[in-house]
Amino acid sequence: DIQMTQSPSSLSASVGDRVTITCRASQTISNYLNWYQHKPGTAPKLLIFAASNLQTGVPSRFSGSGSGTDFTLTISSLQPEDFATYYCQQTYITPPITFGQGTRLEIK
Amino acid sequence: QVQLVESGGGVAQPGRSLRLSCEASGFTFSGNAMHWVRQAPGKGLEWVAVISNDGSRQHYADSVKGRFTISRDNSRNTLYVEMSSLRAEDTAVYYCARGSGSYDYFDHWGQGSPVTVSS
Repeated sequence: DIQMTQSPSSLSASVGDRVTITCRASQTISNYLNWYQHKPGTAPKLLIFAASNLQTGVPSRFSGSGSGTDFTLTISSLQPEDFATYYCQQTYITPPITFGQGTRLEIK
Repeated sequence: QVQLVESGGGVAQPGRSLRLSCEASGFTFSGNAMHWVRQAPGKGLEWVAVISNDGSRQHYADSVKGRFTISRDNSRNTLYVEMSSLRAEDTAVYYCARGSGSYDYFDHWGQGSPVTVSS
């Protein structure tokens, strides 16, 4: 199985900050990497698919990059509604589809 | 608009069974693979199972293989998961999700159905 490792596991930041979350795959996954935002009590939300493609309706302050084994999610200027947990997901070698352990983004 | 609505969650004793449903609307249900994903208390997201658009192929996480069965009824626009031999570690919120595109990303999710396995 492909292991997905996110860093950091948690992060404190302020509104307006630029934030980067990284995700590393245990073997190459090309660009089969997706990012999700999850808030307690709600459905997870797709942000980025295929490493760098912004899902329709997602604000442009979110961006993704990377290929192979190393990927990043960047939020260019944090907004209050961005405080949530973020997950990467690989869909290259399946089953199983695997998620990173999550990065909890908290208000400083 | 696309909607996925889960139902059937609740409390079950260890070793018993429970069936979750996910009713889909707003898209051609038979055109997409469908997934179940769960989140145990205090844990991250865990993929559980997938079924192809026509129901001919299913795959499972090792943690549920042999105990859970994913199925679908395209005439009813409904996805199911039959969970048997339930264990305490199956306690989680269960989400259905639509797989899309050649990258099979999950572009729509249900609101989640909580399952508690406890005696």
